[in-house]
Amino acid sequence: GIQVEQSPPDLILQEGANSTLRCNFSDSVNNLQWFHQNPWGQLINLFYIPSGTKQNGRLSATTVATERYSLLYISSSQTTDSGVYFCAASPDGYNKLIFGAGTRLAVHP
Amino acid sequence: DGGITQSPKYLFRKEGQNVTLSCEQNLNHDAMYWYRQDPGQGLRLIYYSQIVNDFQKGDIAEGYSVSREKKESFPLTVTSAQKNPTAFYLCASSIFTGGVLSKKNIQYFGAGTRLSVL
Repeated sequence: GIQVEQSPPDLILQEGANSTLRCNFSDSVNNLQWFHQNPWGQLINLFYIPSGTKQNGRLSATTVATERYSLLYISSSQTTDSGVYFCAASPDGYNKLIFGAGTRLAVHP
Repeated sequence: DGGITQSPKYLFRKEGQNVTLSCEQNLNHDAMYWYRQDPGQGLRLIYYSQIVNDFQKGDIAEGYSVSREKKESFPLTVTSAQKNPTAFYLCASSIFTGGVLSKKNIQYFGAGTRLSVL
């Protein structure tokens, strides 16, 4: 089945810094989503982005489906950005998401 | 308020006991899913259902059972056959939206249930 790999596994930033998180997937995808898991465990939808580029405030994402990767950009990071960021992909129409292991982000003041 | 409600937030299971986790959604979504998350890891799919009265096994279905008698509800039972049930369980739902050229199938998650073994 499809494999989803995220890098880096851990990231420590000073407030105000920018960062790029990467997600590689091993096969073509029907769905690709980015999530932020807060300290209470809630998964918050960031982007639905099987291809193309989207922006939402300080966050933006780009998926290059032909090269099988997606990038999540965080600009001017804030302490509230801390948590775990997951990339998840589905290879078919059943939308069974396969999750990466996540990138653990800590933003210090 | 529309959303996905999971209950309880915390659950404890005794040896040999079956326990049931509740998942209810009022989003009118057709598809529902159950995932398991172990500490420091990503989520893994347990079961999913595309329509009422039908469900399919995911990657780690052994020791679990589900039912889908109503569109809004997709309860998960952790049976005594599941030898390592301690984990965070997340329920999700999704629906296809958009036209032929702009079809989306975005999955939304509940707040989760933390299950521990006594």
